[in-house]
Amino acid sequence: VQLVESGGGLVQPGGSLKLSCAASGFAVSRNWMHWVRQAPGKGLVWVSRINSDGINTIYADSVKGRFTISRDDAKNTLYLQMNTLSAEDTALYYCVGGVAGHNLENWGQGTLVTVSS
Amino acid sequence: QSALTQPRSVSGSPGQSVTISCTGTSSDVGRYNYVSWYQQHPGDAPKLMVYDVFKRPSGVPDRFSGSKSGNTASLTISGLQAEDEADYYCFSYSGRNTFDFGGGTKVTVL
Repeated sequence: VQLVESGGGLVQPGGSLKLSCAASGFAVSRNWMHWVRQAPGKGLVWVSRINSDGINTIYADSVKGRFTISRDDAKNTLYLQMNTLSAEDTALYYCVGGVAGHNLENWGQGTLVTVSS
Repeated sequence: QSALTQPRSVSGSPGQSVTISCTGTSSDVGRYNYVSWYQQHPGDAPKLMVYDVFKRPSGVPDRFSGSKSGNTASLTISGLQAEDEADYYCFSYSGRNTFDFGGGTKVTVL
């Protein structure tokens, strides 16, 4: 199982960024997928989840209305569209998946998002 | 501030046992058996150590055990080893279509 995140980088406040998570040895279409973030030197924060049905999604209050989780089954890839970014969104973003919706079984190595002017 | 409360640090000598608590409410930890625990070494991604309160994934040593009483879940590390020094986080469904992590506990092996 390998999950590889990409798409992070430096973005100005108010800007947008789209993260990707390419899976191998692991079918995103048959698993529950999450995004979890970790600000530098801080703890883990749950961000969002997409159900194995690919339809139902849930979000942390801090990102609701700004972030959108989605997946492309043909590309076996998970996404996180992030809009209206602020400094508080600066973090390492992890892609996580598993067969149960409430467990974080398989983790990527993360992609760093820095929001700064 | 995290919705789940963990001690900031615990420590123990090699071979000893340490227990990390994770206190929530009757709406999250107390209501659902969906508590899991993660170990994170510096610079690494977290790793699932215990799920569904007390179950261990394949490959996790049986020195790691989980339990729950009321609104508090616990992770116990028995026979502490040097490689157990890491940060540990609890995670739970919060019943409002969201999930929460604890603030994390640094385990130090003396």
